[in-house]
Amino acid sequence: DTEVTQTPKHLVMGMTNKKSLKCEQHMGHRAMYWYKQKAKKPPELMFVYSYEKLSINESVPSRFSPECPNSSLLNLHLHALQPEDSALYLCASSPGQGLDFSYEQYFGPGTRLTVT
Amino acid sequence: SQQGEEDPQALSIQEGENATMNCSYKTSINNLQWYRQNSGRGLVHLILIRSNEREKHSGRLRVTLDTSKKSSSLLITASRAADTASYFCATDKAAGNKLTFGGGTRVLVKP
Repeated sequence: DTEVTQTPKHLVMGMTNKKSLKCEQHMGHRAMYWYKQKAKKPPELMFVYSYEKLSINESVPSRFSPECPNSSLLNLHLHALQPEDSALYLCASSPGQGLDFSYEQYFGPGTRLTVT
Repeated sequence: SQQGEEDPQALSIQEGENATMNCSYKTSINNLQWYRQNSGRGLVHLILIRSNEREKHSGRLRVTLDTSKKSSSLLITASRAADTASYFCATDKAAGNKLTFGGGTRVLVKP
């Protein structure tokens, strides 16, 4: 199974709502990532988890809260978002987070988030 | 912030023609990767080329890397309509898989 799955595919939420995005992989990968992508822009890294521990936080606002319950699952909890947070949120995984080399990343199809 | 800049931003070709896109970056890198994205969906990894490699092939794809010029190119030969997508280069300056993506090239292959 070389697939990364993300749910939901689409999400519309108000600025006072709390919601969560979910990501799952069964490739035995030990690194997982959240990216944010605005329309016609490249993906921007938000968080990296390595062996279920947060290893990189790219100064993301606290209204985004990542969680890695186990090596196969990655969540992104959303609270009090702003309309400018509307974007495609992509999850990815890789075999590891190499110390002196990089791995290719496998991406899920994304969750298209609209904040009203 | 974007590490890589891609050129051209958009490219329109006929099926069967070759497509070439370039990526330039600013600082030294550990490796460079190319990804494809179809119409606002997830990215698909195409090729990873390490800083000590100069050229790599995968099927109809050919990637070159010139670290002295801080640039890379992706060539798609004998293009097909299914190659219509956005293509991104991504670099990691150091270990840790922290990828920084270029602005992307939107490729349209007309049947």
